[in-house]
Amino acid sequence: AQKITQTQPGMFVQEKEAVTLDCTYDTSDPSYGLFWYKQPSSGEMIFLIYQGSYDQQNATEGRYSLNFQKARKSANLVISSSQLGDSAMYFCAMREGHGSSNTGKLIFGQGTTLQVKP
Amino acid sequence: GAVVSQHPSRVICKSGTSVKIECRSLDFQATTMFWYRQFPKQSLMLMATSNEGSKATYEQGVEKDKFLINHASLTLSTLTVTSAHPEDSSFYICSARTRTYNEQFFGPGTRLTVL
Repeated sequence: AQKITQTQPGMFVQEKEAVTLDCTYDTSDPSYGLFWYKQPSSGEMIFLIYQGSYDQQNATEGRYSLNFQKARKSANLVISSSQLGDSAMYFCAMREGHGSSNTGKLIFGQGTTLQVKP
Repeated sequence: GAVVSQHPSRVICKSGTSVKIECRSLDFQATTMFWYRQFPKQSLMLMATSNEGSKATYEQGVEKDKFLINHASLTLSTLTVTSAHPEDSSFYICSARTRTYNEQFFGPGTRLTVL
């Protein structure tokens, strides 16, 4: 069965520093997608970055990058130059399958609460 | 990115009443929508998958008679919490999948409080 694990319930980072949020996953499907979402206190889920299992390069989106280590089944999110507005809960999620074969169902990790200190 | 709306954003109701939550994809057609539930400080748990024109598929442990889902069009799915009780109080979030399959966008969520 597929599983997503985020082992850091809470993290602190100083403003302008980089921070890494850990995520490990388990699946028997060779085709899958990995997502990171940000959830501020308002509750909305904000899509940050996506990594497909067959993607050769690590995904990057602005200040966000995904450190994808397939052999270790890890997909850590790196936020560079943290800003106060980055304070939120962050979820790693996995979807099995790729393209039209995927069910669309997302399985979420437990989440990591990030607090950026001024 | 694509926009998904939910209505209402917040609802308070008395125990025993039914509450309907709407999820709309505003600028794209969504053949599949998903309903999640989130308790405070916890993760999102998938409740059901809603496919346009067919019956919803519920996850294990989710009562289909309690949580009625209707996906009447390519842009609208509704979740009705029937005979709500205080334990149904939660944050309900929908998401919609685009035709390109790789993208999924979330609504802003509905906070339900049952008194």
